[in-house]
Amino acid sequence: DTAVSQTPKYLVTQMGNDKSIKCEQNLGHDTMYWYKQDSKKFLKIMFSYNNKELIINETVPNRFSPKSPDKAHLNLHINSLELGDSAVYFCASSQTFSYNEQFFGPGTRLTVL
Amino acid sequence: ILNVEQSPQSLHVQEGDSTNFTCSFPSSNFYALHWYRWETAKSPEALFVMTLNGDEKKKGRISATLNTKEGYSYLYIKGSQPEDSATYLCAFLNTGNQFYFGTGTSLTVIP
Repeated sequence: DTAVSQTPKYLVTQMGNDKSIKCEQNLGHDTMYWYKQDSKKFLKIMFSYNNKELIINETVPNRFSPKSPDKAHLNLHINSLELGDSAVYFCASSQTFSYNEQFFGPGTRLTVL
Repeated sequence: ILNVEQSPQSLHVQEGDSTNFTCSFPSSNFYALHWYRWETAKSPEALFVMTLNGDEKKKGRISATLNTKEGYSYLYIKGSQPEDSATYLCAFLNTGNQFYFGTGTSLTVIP
């Protein structure tokens, strides 16, 4: 059983399209995260939800919108995709926010053409 | 944006050597320091979460120390093995819910 899963694993799309990446965790964790790995392989946090409430909202374009229908899911919706959005996006979860280790999903490689 | 720096950027060691690297972070408003191991083509995997000044944690041949007053943490690997080859990331969390990863130290262990 995969602890943190993301779909799709690969996503190739045209500029201007709207797309979503789904994340699910079956660990019973309260907190979920979205990260972007940039071209230099640097991991940058985008959002964090704790019990479906937004607790971290870093400076990302408002074309990116997280949606948490329940504690086990945190989806990332991206409107009007741009070339610069091409990256690997990682979802993660932890028991609670802050001092618990995070468990990462396998990543979604997004390519915008 | 907070400054979380790791050094060295990359490191090559012989199998059996012991090694260590550093994570530097702001010493004010500290809450927690995370260490992760990230193998190529995989996802980051948690090693330690440290919260108290003077904390020392150990997992097998890997250990870490924490100095929150001066803003640094060391990660040590004893008797490096080829399977230790990976990028080691630290991540700093402050009391304002700001959470930043360092750029990582890439370790290659040569058989």
